Amino acid sequence: EAQVTQNPRYLITVTGKKLTVTCSQNMNHEYMSWYRQDPGLGLRQIYYSMNVEVTDKGDVPEGYKVSRKEKRNFPLILESPSPNQTSLYFCASSLFGSNTEAFFGQGTRLTVV
Amino acid sequence: GESVGLHLPTLSVQEGDNSIINCAYSNSASDYFIWYKQESGKGPQFIIDIRSNMDKRQGQRVTVLLNKTVKHLSLQIAATQPGDSAVYFCAENPQLTGGGNKLTFGTGTQLKVEL
Repeated sequence: EAQVTQNPRYLITVTGKKLTVTCSQNMNHEYMSWYRQDPGLGLRQIYYSMNVEVTDKGDVPEGYKVSRKEKRNFPLILESPSPNQTSLYFCASSLFGSNTEAFFGQGTRLTVV
Repeated sequence: GESVGLHLPTLSVQEGDNSIINCAYSNSASDYFIWYKQESGKGPQFIIDIRSNMDKRQGQRVTVLLNKTVKHLSLQIAATQPGDSAVYFCAENPQLTGGGNKLTFGTGTQLKVEL
């Protein structure tokens, strides 16, 4: 089954404790991206990757890092999480770029206390 | 379920009626537009897309209309069903070629289908 898988689905952590949210897709898509979703603000892009070892900033990259060492994986790293990073996070992939249909993961609900 | 927007515009329709969800986009250079549906507790799901060289595109029970003059996009759902209840997002992409560009989402509209 074609899918984007994120882990964990729910995470509660403390300020400053490094964490990683994993994302994996099995569709051989080149393009992957991370979004955060907040009430009243919709989905905002954090980072995206056009292919292996190619990443770029989205609209809200501060406080986040990503890596793309393999085509299928695109982890989101919070080196020192803060409460304003409490949000619902989605990973997405698409075949070539953001101008093709994106498939989204189920989301990761992150709470930073 | 997840609360994706505490102050979302809400559209309430009777089951069987047609729904029209509107979206104003901001970038006149955008040439690719997408509608996504998000059900409670799930990730967004692709519904239909349209490129700027078109003004209308139809899918199964859905139609997207694009008016570039006023930068307006609409999603029409025919014979709305209870399963259509969800938050609907439009998204725009400024460039057609090269990929890898930012996809900008609207804040969403909550569609409620009343029985």
